[in-house]
Amino acid sequence: DAKTTQPPSMDCAEGRAANLPCNHSTISGNEYVYWYRQIHSQGPQYIIHGLKNNETNEMASLIITEDRKSSTLILPHATLRDTAVYYCIVREDFGNEKLTFGTGTRLTIIP
Amino acid sequence: NAGVMQNPRHLVRRRGQEARLRCSPMKGHSHVYWYRQLPEEGLKFMVYLQKENIIDESGMPKERFSAEFPKEGPSILRIQQVVRGDSAAYFCASSPMKGSSGANVLTFGAGSRLTVL
Repeated sequence: DAKTTQPPSMDCAEGRAANLPCNHSTISGNEYVYWYRQIHSQGPQYIIHGLKNNETNEMASLIITEDRKSSTLILPHATLRDTAVYYCIVREDFGNEKLTFGTGTRLTIIP
Repeated sequence: NAGVMQNPRHLVRRRGQEARLRCSPMKGHSHVYWYRQLPEEGLKFMVYLQKENIIDESGMPKERFSAEFPKEGPSILRIQQVVRGDSAAYFCASSPMKGSSGANVLTFGAGSRLTVL
C-alpha cells in the first residue's frame, strides 16, 4: 500500500528551481519524510529528510506542511546532473526499518 | 571514508549456476539491506540483516535466494540455480545502529548487475 503519491514525471529548465511535490496524507506522528534520488541506474543517493520542520542542506531544501500531509523538495538551481528519479519515502522511527520505494518522479532538466 | 562497497559490479552466469554478491557496509555500520531492481522497474526490498541475524526477509523469494551477514566479513546474497528472470541490479545499503536522535539514513552502494544467459 502506497504511503506517498508523487507525479510520475516533471521537467525543469536548467538553472531554475525544481520543486518536487509529495503527498503523504496518512503519515503518522513518528514517521520521517525521506528523499532519495537515483541517477540512471546508479545506487540511490540520499538527499534530505525531515520530521516536522523545514530542512536545508547543501543539496536541497525540504518544506513540510504544518499538517505534515505533504512536502516539497526544492533543488534551488537545477543542473543537467540533477536529472534522475526522485523518491519521497515515509518511514517509521522505531529502529532500523527498511525504506520502501515507490515509483518516484522522473525529473528531467532541460538545457 | 569508503562508502558501501559491492562486488562484483557485473556478473554473468548461465542458467543453473550460482551467483554470489558481496556487500561491505560503511565503517561503523552494523545493518545491511539488500534491494533488487529489475530492468525498467523500481527498487524492491529483499532482506535486512544485522551481524549474524536476519531481521526482515519479507521480500526474499521463497526458493533459491539466501543472505547472510557473518560476524566477520561482508554480507553475501546468494542465488542458487539462477534463471533469466534473476537478471537485475542488486543494491546493498547499510546504516549504523539507530541512536537516540531519531532518523537513520541508509547509504547505498553502486550495485551489482547480474546477467543470466
